[in-house]
Amino acid sequence: DAKTTQPTSMDCAEGRAANLPCNHSTISGNEYVYWYRQIHSQGPQYIIHGLKNNETNEMASLIITEDRKSSTLILPHATLRDTAVYYCIVRVANNNAGNMLTFGGGTRLMVKP
Amino acid sequence: EAGVAQSPRYKIIEKRQSVAFWCNPISGHATLYWYQQILGQGPKLLIQFQNNGVVDDSQLPKDRFSAERLKGVDSTLKIQPAKLEDSAVYLCASSWRETGELFFGEGSRLTVL
Repeated sequence: DAKTTQPTSMDCAEGRAANLPCNHSTISGNEYVYWYRQIHSQGPQYIIHGLKNNETNEMASLIITEDRKSSTLILPHATLRDTAVYYCIVRVANNNAGNMLTFGGGTRLMVKP
Repeated sequence: EAGVAQSPRYKIIEKRQSVAFWCNPISGHATLYWYQQILGQGPKLLIQFQNNGVVDDSQLPKDRFSAERLKGVDSTLKIQPAKLEDSAVYLCASSWRETGELFFGEGSRLTVL
């Protein structure tokens, strides 16, 4: 699976949009971009994933550049509960090895009042 | 829907002792994973099961770690003998085979003294 690069940490004001970038310049055509987050003392939680098109769900929006070499996770109105480590992962959807996810260091998002 | 259950939540042992962790995945999920998360790092995959068969255990230190998934449901992860560097949170996750959406338990925190 392709490697990703994320900033180590970011701050965001409560109520503002949080934009978390991820670079995945070596992504292959059949690799999806997945985002997970991990709140302190909890297991990681799936947020969203996409291949080419932008995606939106009740938690967040995912914007993938046209060349697919980078993406941005957007939390439209960040709350204190969104303080967490956010992981960007690229993987093949249905490879023979199953659904293995390789986590990097992630971005530590701090939402401040 | 019940989530992934793990026990115990916390365990403190001395080096060279043994420990076992238990995981009950979400009902119907064929794929089960054990991850190790050392403080300050992202989770690292130890082993992946598809039903009761091992898909990937390439990163499992087999001289001291073992895992089984009898009857394709519950799973146990054992460490014997434990080393100081095994201090970590052990996360269990499960998924439907076809998606990259993993559901994680809250983890079992191991401290080796």
